[in-house]
Amino acid sequence: EAGVTQFPSHSVIEKGQTVTLRCDPISGHDNLYWYRRVMGKEIKFLLHFVKESKQDESGMPNNRFLAERTGGTYSTLKVQPAELEDSGVYFCASSQASGGVRNNEQFFGPGTRLTVL
Amino acid sequence: AQSVSQHNHHVILSEAASLELGCNYSYGGTVNLFWYVQYPGQHLQLLLKYFSGDPLVKGIKGFEAEFIKSKFSFNLRKPSVQWSDTAEYFCAVNAGRGSTLGRLYFGRGTQLTVWP
Repeated sequence: EAGVTQFPSHSVIEKGQTVTLRCDPISGHDNLYWYRRVMGKEIKFLLHFVKESKQDESGMPNNRFLAERTGGTYSTLKVQPAELEDSGVYFCASSQASGGVRNNEQFFGPGTRLTVL
Repeated sequence: AQSVSQHNHHVILSEAASLELGCNYSYGGTVNLFWYVQYPGQHLQLLLKYFSGDPLVKGIKGFEAEFIKSKFSFNLRKPSVQWSDTAEYFCAVNAGRGSTLGRLYFGRGTQLTVWP
């Protein structure tokens, strides 16, 4: 079974540009999460999809970030326009729906390292 | 707001030494607790988890953790570390309700370096 995949693995862009990150969850996982780790700090929650619906987007830092999950499969996270403080590693995770979302292990992808110059 | 504290940012040990990594959280209600590990160049993966029952939980690779509710702690232990345990370790807590039920709160991580 394939794990969570993320693309690209690295992205280097200039301030003001747009970047789109992609996450493919484990097949059949209804829950999809985005997290971010800024260098030296904790991994912080950004948002949670249940299928194609945003269950919790309270962690999104501002309106320059837009996440979508059309069709309830893969998800994209777009940053437009990017700022220097957006640099970090963006992780995606997915989990099953059964048993209650709180009790399900989240499986993480390898992350996308974003550098904004 | 909920927070998770990991007391050690970098721990350096020799092989066969014992390990204990501290984790404290701030939420007073029902919590689910996790330790994740990220080996160099690899994904975050689950080491162990606590949902309920026996507060001493055993995970993969000889790791265990003890949930002490009165201390809001979930410390990770291993009696004898190996060079292959070199990795970054993250404590995480799920303490949400309602719409925030799924989110994990992470500590800053502890980098463990084991010298052969």
